[in-house]
Amino acid sequence: GQQLNQSPQSMFIQEGEDVSMNCTSSSIFNTWLWYKQDPGEGPVLLIALYKAGELTSNGRLTAQFGITRKDSFLNISASIPSDVGIYFCAGLMEYGNKLVFGAGTILRVKS
Amino acid sequence: DAGVTQSPTHLIKTRGQHVTLRCSPISGHKSVSWYQQVLGQGPQFIFQYYEKEERGRGNFPDRFSARQFPNYSSELNVNALLLGDSALYLCASSLGVGMNTGELFFGEGSRLTVL
Repeated sequence: GQQLNQSPQSMFIQEGEDVSMNCTSSSIFNTWLWYKQDPGEGPVLLIALYKAGELTSNGRLTAQFGITRKDSFLNISASIPSDVGIYFCAGLMEYGNKLVFGAGTILRVKS
Repeated sequence: DAGVTQSPTHLIKTRGQHVTLRCSPISGHKSVSWYQQVLGQGPQFIFQYYEKEERGRGNFPDRFSARQFPNYSSELNVNALLLGDSALYLCASSLGVGMNTGELFFGEGSRLTVL
């Protein structure tokens, strides 16, 4: 089955630092989504990407859809304590009806 | 505007019992999907329903079933519960299926514990 390899598994950074995480796959996806999940809650959609090469921002968050359609990255600039949580990438295949999720990146921020 | 609502939020069952989880999608959304999230992992696809028809099924046994009602709400049923069914069950709604309608909006989930 399809798998997404998400890295790093976890990060412990200083407040104010920039963060970068990425997802790679052996399969081609037509849509990439990035979600954040806080403990005890459902994932919240951060950014959606629909075209290869697309670069999209949402406040301090920037995500890119890789040219090969097999990867995506998410950057968070100037991290703050409320950025703490688990970040998931997810891919949707052409005419797909299910999202394939990565295993998540746990982000911890030292204030 | 109400988001995706799920009930119950928490429940405890014993092995062999069955459970019904409920979901109401965002108003105007016609597709509901169910995902299972085991602790420490990403969500795994169980079902998608669109216009009351099953549009996809993940790699889950027949003990798992679901349906969608005319008002687009949905139920997930799990029979003969096993310890391994303990997980957070997430419902997600979207406008439709496929590209550009693939943005899924998740509820807060139903935390199922099987003893």
